[in-house]
Formats: sequence, structure tokens, C-alpha cells
Amino acid sequence: QKEVEQNSGPLSVPEGAIASLNCTYSDRGSQSFFWYRQYSGKSPELIMSIYSNGDKEDGRFTAQLNKASQYVSLLIRDSQPSDSATYLCAAYQAGTALIFGKGTTLSVSS
Amino acid sequence: EPEVTQTPSHQVTQMGQEVILRCVPISNHLYFYWYRQILGQKVEFLVSFYNNEISEKSEIFDDQFSVERPDGSNFTLKIRSTKLEDSAMYFCASSGGQGDTEAFFGQGTRLTVV
Repeated sequence: QKEVEQNSGPLSVPEGAIASLNCTYSDRGSQSFFWYRQYSGKSPELIMSIYSNGDKEDGRFTAQLNKASQYVSLLIRDSQPSDSATYLCAAYQAGTALIFGKGTTLSVSS
Repeated sequence: EPEVTQTPSHQVTQMGQEVILRCVPISNHLYFYWYRQILGQKVEFLVSFYNNEISEKSEIFDDQFSVERPDGSNFTLKIRSTKLEDSAMYFCASSGGQGDTEAFFGQGTRLTVV
């Protein structure tokens, strides 16, 4: 059974701080990884994708991938109250589909 | 900006009834997906669809479920005889390529089976 694991949180950070969200996956064949943001009652919104080991930066967001450790992370710099949401990690392996973790709830206090 | 649209936003149905959930994927995308999310639980894969046929399906996607692309724009999920446990948010998603590229989700249909 392919699994994506996330700490459910809540992760609480003050406004302006760095939020660090982590994810591990069980299937070494997974090739592509995605971070989605989901506000309560809404649909998942794609934030970032990462395919290769290392870091990928997009604005305040940095995704990190370590395939040897089967580990993906998302850093949010200068966290804002509007970043408060559930962050979903997803992994994809060819021949299957996106497998989601349960998500980490982030709360940014002003 | 192109987006995936789903109708209806909320559907209430009686147990045993058939429901059809509709989706219009992003126009130049080739891969289409249905996911569901039971309240408080994770997003679960149901089925993927490419070139007018199912490419992958999960254990959840049993004989009660079917998908169809009846024309060039719509993508539908049919549940033949709904059960109480089918109550969930159903999300349609589309991507340009097979999962290796980014999948974009519609706003969802909340299905309530009573």
C-alpha cells in the first residue's frame, strides 16, 4: 500500500516566521511530488511541484526533495495569516495516480 | 486563467438513487481524474481517464461507479445506487500530461446521501 505521511499538526507559527512542513512517502518508485493548499471546505490548490532532488523556490515557498530519504518538505517564509490552511503533500508514480497525505494544518497568528 | 469547473456545487440525494456529477476540465488538458474527500479525511483517488478510457482506478471505484466523456468538453462521474457512505466532496481534476505534470482541481461537488 503506497502511503504518504504527514504530521497532522496543528503547526502554529507567528506572522513573519518560517513555517516548515514535512512529508515522507513509502514508494521509492514515486517520481513527482506536489504541495497543495486547502482552505476549509474548499478544493486543493496547487502550490508547487518538485521532481528532482534539491530545492525549488517560488516566491515565499521553497520545496525540498530528498529521494534517498523519501522525504519532501515545504518551507513558507514570512508566513502570513492568509497562509493558515491545510497543506497536502502528494506523490505520483507512473501507472498510478496522485496519492495524498492527510495534510498538515498550519495556523499563522498575527 | 483556465480552470476546472464542476456542477452542481451541492447535491442531495436519497439512498439508492443515481447521481451524475459533472466536470469541465481545462480545455487543452488530456488527463482527467476524480477524487473524493470524506469530511475530515484525506483526498482519495477514484479514477483517471485518458483517450476516452479509464487508465487507472482505485479499489473505491467499484461497479457502482462509472465515468464518461460524453462530448468534447464534459467529464462525468455516475454513481448508480448511492449509499450513505458515498457522502463526500467529489473533486474533478485535469492535467496536461500523465500525472507528471501538475493536476488542477475543480471547486468540488458536495454529495449528501440521506
